[in-house]
Amino acid sequence: DARVTQTPRHKVTEMGQEVTMRCQPILGHNTVFWYRQTMMQGLELLAYFRNRAPLDDSGMPKDRFSAEMPDATLATLKIQPSEPRDSAVYFCASGEGHTQYFGPGTRLTVL
Amino acid sequence: GQQLNQSPQSMFIQEGEDVSMNCTSSSIFNTWLWYKQDPGEGPVLLIALYKAGELTSNGRLTAQFGITRKDSFLNISASIPSDVGIYFCAGRSNYNQGGKLIFGQGTELSVKP
Repeated sequence: DARVTQTPRHKVTEMGQEVTMRCQPILGHNTVFWYRQTMMQGLELLAYFRNRAPLDDSGMPKDRFSAEMPDATLATLKIQPSEPRDSAVYFCASGEGHTQYFGPGTRLTVL
Repeated sequence: GQQLNQSPQSMFIQEGEDVSMNCTSSSIFNTWLWYKQDPGEGPVLLIALYKAGELTSNGRLTAQFGITRKDSFLNISASIPSDVGIYFCAGRSNYNQGGKLIFGQGTELSVKP
């Protein structure tokens, strides 16, 4: 049963620290998405890749967030420096065609 | 920009009752997806719809792609306690910003045994 995996599942850090979240998409999927979920904003798309190339990162604060796909089995989302308002659950999703499959998420708390 | 309105926001029902929720869009979609999210987990895909008028079932769940292509509904029959969670609709067109999914705000379902 292929699944999207994410690490870490939980992260607590202090303001100003760097945070790196990792995602392993489902093998064979050519599209990878990063979302952020908060109570206030719901699910927001931050960035997505197709065939490892970034297609759209307009949802991401450019000054502190960066997303990369070093290879087909790894996607990373980095926040540097982190701020309390970044506290949220970050989801990675992968897909092929019209559907997307979500990972379990990384719950980030920035103190 | 494109928006999805999902209703109701929340539902409190008795076990065994049927449930219906829907999403409407300000523009045409060519794909509708329904997801369920359990606490502490990521959304799980329930049903995918690709054609106007399409009616698709997955166990006790039935979803339809509206003929106007601007709406979709999800029905759950004979609800059980494990149906509790947040249900999201999501739509996609070839014209919205590269085909990204647009998500509704979610419907939180509570089922009383």
